[in-house]
Amino acid sequence: DVKVTQSSRYLVKRTGEKVFLECVQDMDHENMFWYRQDPGLGLRLIYFSYDVKMKEKGDIPEGYSVSREKKERFSLILESASTNQTSMYLCASRGGGAGTGELFFGEGSRLTVL
Amino acid sequence: AQSVTQLDSQVPVFEEAPVELRCNYSSSVSVYLFWYVQYPNQGLQLLLKYLSGSTLVESINGFEAEFNKSQTSFHLRKPSVHISDTAEYFCAVSGLGTYKYIFGTGTRLKVLA
Repeated sequence: DVKVTQSSRYLVKRTGEKVFLECVQDMDHENMFWYRQDPGLGLRLIYFSYDVKMKEKGDIPEGYSVSREKKERFSLILESASTNQTSMYLCASRGGGAGTGELFFGEGSRLTVL
Repeated sequence: AQSVTQLDSQVPVFEEAPVELRCNYSSSVSVYLFWYVQYPNQGLQLLLKYLSGSTLVESINGFEAEFNKSQTSFHLRKPSVHISDTAEYFCAVSGLGTYKYIFGTGTRLKVLA
């Protein structure tokens, strides 16, 4: 059974803290993604990685960075958390050809920044 | 550039009634279209997809969607809904050779007893 695992389901952090969100997939997928989900805005792409150590900015990368040192792991980093980063964060991975492959999602990490 | 519009943010419907969730897209290249479903407190999972071939695609739990190129639509339908279909549904588009998927804002389907 394919699996994308996000390390924390719920986090509460304070403004200015550094936050790490971890995502691990067991499907040997090349492509991994971080999305942010907010009510009424749908899913917005923060960053994606098409291979180890390779990354590209998505639509809303400001205030975020990522790390992909191993194929199975893709981390999202908030260098200095702010209240407007309170949101649900979804990690996804994909195999197959660009554009056609199914995205497999983790269960999400709900971050609250106080 | 690609975009996706889901016209209804919420759709209430009684159990065993039919439902249609609307999705329109815009794209300058050939598209691939997807519907994902998100049950409460879970991530998204693929419901069905259109890549090529027959314009009518079906899921294993009775949903279907039809790709209409002239109307740039990919509406999701089910002839008879169950309480368990209560979830949020997202339409998404990608294109040949792209890594990016563009998601709509989602439609909350609430099935009433």
